[in-house]
Amino acid sequence: QSALTQPPSASGSPGQSVTISCTGSSSDVGGYDYVSWYQQHPGEAPKLMIYDVTKRPSGVPDRFSGAKSGNTASLTVSGLQAEDEADYYCSSYAGSSWVFGGGTKLTVL
Amino acid sequence: EVQLVESGGGLVQPGGSLRVSCAASGFTLSGYWMHWVRQAPGKGLVWVSRISSGGSSTTYADSVKGRFTVSRDNDKNTLYLQMNSLRAEDTAVYYCLRGGPYSNSCPDYWGQGTLVTVSS
Repeated sequence: QSALTQPPSASGSPGQSVTISCTGSSSDVGGYDYVSWYQQHPGEAPKLMIYDVTKRPSGVPDRFSGAKSGNTASLTVSGLQAEDEADYYCSSYAGSSWVFGGGTKLTVL
Repeated sequence: EVQLVESGGGLVQPGGSLRVSCAASGFTLSGYWMHWVRQAPGKGLVWVSRISSGGSSTTYADSVKGRFTVSRDNDKNTLYLQMNSLRAEDTAVYYCLRGGPYSNSCPDYWGQGTLVTVSS
């Protein structure tokens, strides 16, 4: 049950694209297509942005996209907007449990 | 509208016990796996536990195994987390999450959380 590895921070200017990585192992990210991404603004509960690696829930802008290669998943935010500034967490099914990444603080410059 | 409302958090002494609850509405609780996730102040998210839709299967993180018990009452649309032998490191906001119809369904909705503080 080791946490997934995310960079602590990422940044980009409005309109730019930024990609956040999430590295696990063959026991979690690499073994299943059940990776999700959550956005958390300060003082708020997390919100689902991507599930099953690439799927977007209804209401999430298509500026958000997910991908996976081997043991690493990624979240790309295109056309950055001020409201995208938040903490982002990845999560993966791990067979009989779930595991989260340590979180990435996304700053919109 | 899916709603999850946690309650029961508070201040408890080390070694003490506390039960937090999660009232679900806007969906049929009996059709979904449910999860608990916690977040210590200023820290990241940590998965704690999950329970199957009918309540027969439960799983725990190693850090809480043997101390925490997850349960549910589908007739009352409520999820519970019984926490015993609490430690300072259990201090966190506890969130309940809706899973899906399958054990590997990515959790989607979150409650607003309830703060548990373990301190003397």
